[in-house]
Parts: sequence; structure tokens; C-alpha cells
Amino acid sequence: NAGVTQTPKFQVLKTGQSMTLQCAQDMNHEYMSWYRQDPGMGLRLIHYSVGAGITDQGEVPNGYNVSRSTTEDFPLRLLSAAPSQTSVYFCASSYVGLAGADTQYFGPGTRLTVL
Amino acid sequence: GQQLNQSPQSMFIQEGEDVSMNCTSSSIFNTWLWYKQDPGEGPVLLIALYKAGELTSNGRLTAQFGITRKDSFLNISASIPSDVGIYFCAGQNNNAGNMLTFGGGTRLMVKP
Repeated sequence: NAGVTQTPKFQVLKTGQSMTLQCAQDMNHEYMSWYRQDPGMGLRLIHYSVGAGITDQGEVPNGYNVSRSTTEDFPLRLLSAAPSQTSVYFCASSYVGLAGADTQYFGPGTRLTVL
Repeated sequence: GQQLNQSPQSMFIQEGEDVSMNCTSSSIFNTWLWYKQDPGEGPVLLIALYKAGELTSNGRLTAQFGITRKDSFLNISASIPSDVGIYFCAGQNNNAGNMLTFGGGTRLMVKP
């Protein structure tokens, strides 16, 4: 299994540009999520999905859109990039058991800079 | 948004020394997790704790889930150079979108 994969690894955008960060997992996990990590801080949840066709907002959703058309993929879209979105973005996935989401596994991250 | 209070923020220790770090929260969590992050990589799960009072070991690592469900600690015994990295605690509640709430991290540096 490749686990959780993310592309691209690095990206530089100009203010106002749009782009999509890709995330895929091959573990048949129902739960997928996007976090951002800023210097000196832990990760903060942007959006999450408990299954195909279902998404919901996390702690810091503004400026980001997501969709979940398949179990494997969970892309994150920036419609109009802003310098405040400069960060490292991590995708994570897990099973959803009787007690809720199981242990989450993280991808390698996408380092985004918005000029 | 809420963050867990993790301390210390950084540690610079000699190889072979033991390390201790902890997290506290004003809220209760059902699950406590400890992750390690190497430069340029995503967090990797070290230990997961599911019951208040639980003490769990993974090799040289030992973690405990506090009785009040508002805190947890991680100990690393006999540190080695490859222990270098950033360690994060995270709390999780199954009724909150399964969101992980992270601590600010402890940067560990080990001097050979």
C-alpha cells in the first residue's frame, strides 16, 4: 500500500490564483481530512469527510473548498489564494469504527507559499 | 480555536538521557495520541491511548492517559540521535467530527 499520498510537494502561488491540492489513499478508509500547520503551532483541521459524498467544516474552513466523489480521493481547493494561506497542508485518513474515527494516518504534506 | 498546552516547547539533551513531555487541556478527550514529525514529513503515530489512566509502552516510549482525561504525558527513555524531531500530542473526541486537537509541539534535539 502507498498509504496517503499528496501532490504537489511544493507550490508557489500569486495572490488571487486558484489551485487544487490532491490527496489520495489506497487503504479504503472512510474518513479523510485536511489540516494546515503553521510555524510554532500544531495542526488545525480545515475540512473533513466521513465518506464519499459527505463533507463538513473543521476549525479553519474559510477560503477552502472540498469534495469527496470517491472513497480514495479528497482534493482541497483554494479558490483565490491569499498570503495568509501560506502553510504546510496535510491530508489524513482513517477507518470509522463503532466508536468513531480510528487512528488517523498522515500524508507527507504540501508546502504552499502565496506571494 | 482550542489548542492543547504542550510543554516544554523544546529540549536539548544528551544522548542516553530520559525525556519527558506533557499536554494539558481545559476540555476532556476520549482519546489521546502522540505523534512524531520528522522534517519535511507528516506526523507519524507513536502511541494511542483510549482509557483514562491507561499506561502504554512502545519500545522506549511510554505514555499515559490522565485520570481526569484532560492531560497526558510521553516519556522517552535512553534517548538516541534518531529521536530528534517534533513530538505532538493530540486529543480526539468521537462526537466532534473526530477532529484532532493538537498541542503546539515539543522540539527534541539530542546531542551525541
